[in-house]
Amino acid sequence: AQSVTQLDSQVPVFEEAPVELRCNYSSSVSVYLFWYVQYPNQGLQLLLKYLSGSTLVKGINGFEAEFNKSQTSFHLRKPSVHISDTAEYFCAVSPNNAGNMLTFGGGTRLMVKP
Amino acid sequence: DTGVSQNPRHKITKRGQNVTFRCDPISEHNRLYWYRQTLGQGPEFLTYFQNEAQLEKSRLLSDRFSAERPKGSFSTLEIQRTEQGDSAMYLCASSRQGAPNEKLFFGSGTQLSVL
Repeated sequence: AQSVTQLDSQVPVFEEAPVELRCNYSSSVSVYLFWYVQYPNQGLQLLLKYLSGSTLVKGINGFEAEFNKSQTSFHLRKPSVHISDTAEYFCAVSPNNAGNMLTFGGGTRLMVKP
Repeated sequence: DTGVSQNPRHKITKRGQNVTFRCDPISEHNRLYWYRQTLGQGPEFLTYFQNEAQLEKSRLLSDRFSAERPKGSFSTLEIQRTEQGDSAMYLCASSRQGAPNEKLFFGSGTQLSVL
């Protein structure tokens, strides 16, 4: 069984400040990890994914995440956020590298303030 | 735009009624998925098709729920005898098996409200 915990339901941050959205997972099998973003009235969009190899993964819109096996974490970071980054962010785990049958966390609402 | 299309966007129904949602995936995608998202929660996997074959069903998918993909293109999700607990956003996604960088593309969802 797999599960994902996103520790913060909301993260307020000022524009141009750095941000970290936390994600911890639990799995009894190999994991493939994903971050999705959901803008208001839009479908979920893949930000980045970790399948294997380098533990630091870079994604779209300047986001990156680091896979830490010992901490069972996959935190998402951005060094400088913009107003347009305001959205809901979901961490997810999949039992396969195709990223289907995803198990999502509860989401973190990032609120960027001017 | 040839993204994943879901209809209707919103559906309000009375408890006990049947409802059906439609999903049109991206045309070359042979895999199709249904997820359910309740307020304040992440999406939960419901079921998955590869072409017309339904390969996985979550235990969340009770007997009142049925999904079809008759020709391996569009899919329908039907809920019979709706209950207030069925109120949620129903999300559809699609992907192309074997694509070098296979990933899911999600639709905007159908918001169901059961009164």
